[in-house]
Amino acid sequence: SAVISQKPSRDICQRGTSLTIQCQVDSQVTMMFWYRQQPGQSLTLIATANQGSEATYESGFVIDKFPISRPNLTFSTLTVSNMSPEDSSIYLCSVSTSRYEQYFGPGTRLTVT
Amino acid sequence: ELKVEQNPLFLSMQEGKNYTIYCNYSTTSDRLYWYRQDPGKSLESLFVLLSNGAVKQEGRLMASLDTKARLSTLHITAAVHDLSATYFCAVEKKTSGSRLTFGEGTQLTVNP
Repeated sequence: SAVISQKPSRDICQRGTSLTIQCQVDSQVTMMFWYRQQPGQSLTLIATANQGSEATYESGFVIDKFPISRPNLTFSTLTVSNMSPEDSSIYLCSVSTSRYEQYFGPGTRLTVT
Repeated sequence: ELKVEQNPLFLSMQEGKNYTIYCNYSTTSDRLYWYRQDPGKSLESLFVLLSNGAVKQEGRLMASLDTKARLSTLHITAAVHDLSATYFCAVEKKTSGSRLTFGEGTQLTVNP
């Protein structure tokens, strides 16, 4: 299994500001992902964080709004830019291990006022 | 586009009863996952089903996969209150690079 930590665990931010969320894994993993879970909803994939190259974004998500970094095989960041109340969600990073299992971090609960 | 549908979306059951949650998906998949989420918590991995006919059991939960019918089931046996949570299925489509598409989730409440 993989142990994943995220920082911050929660934050309350003002409209128009940006927040960077960190994801740290206790072992090297090839695949890292960022998901969003809006209140009372299911999870939606934002992007695949690629090590050493630009992230791959899903339909409806763009780099200008959700820039992602992946400097090595254990760490990634997601920035939520120019926030609006609609960005209030839980943001989760996940990793896929070589055993075809996917684990999720504890999540970052973001509230935008 | 891959679509994943769960039913029911809400399930209230009595302790000791059995019930099944269904997960249908629209295109050929590689793997199917079941997760549990408690309120305010992240997702806990329950099962990974890798091939047609796969069946996995852990305690009172049993998951199965029928790839021909594009259907997975999560069966609950003799439910207890501790099983109250939201259960998600997620499908990994072939050639998707491990990206998951989630169902809407089933909110399970087990009443004493």
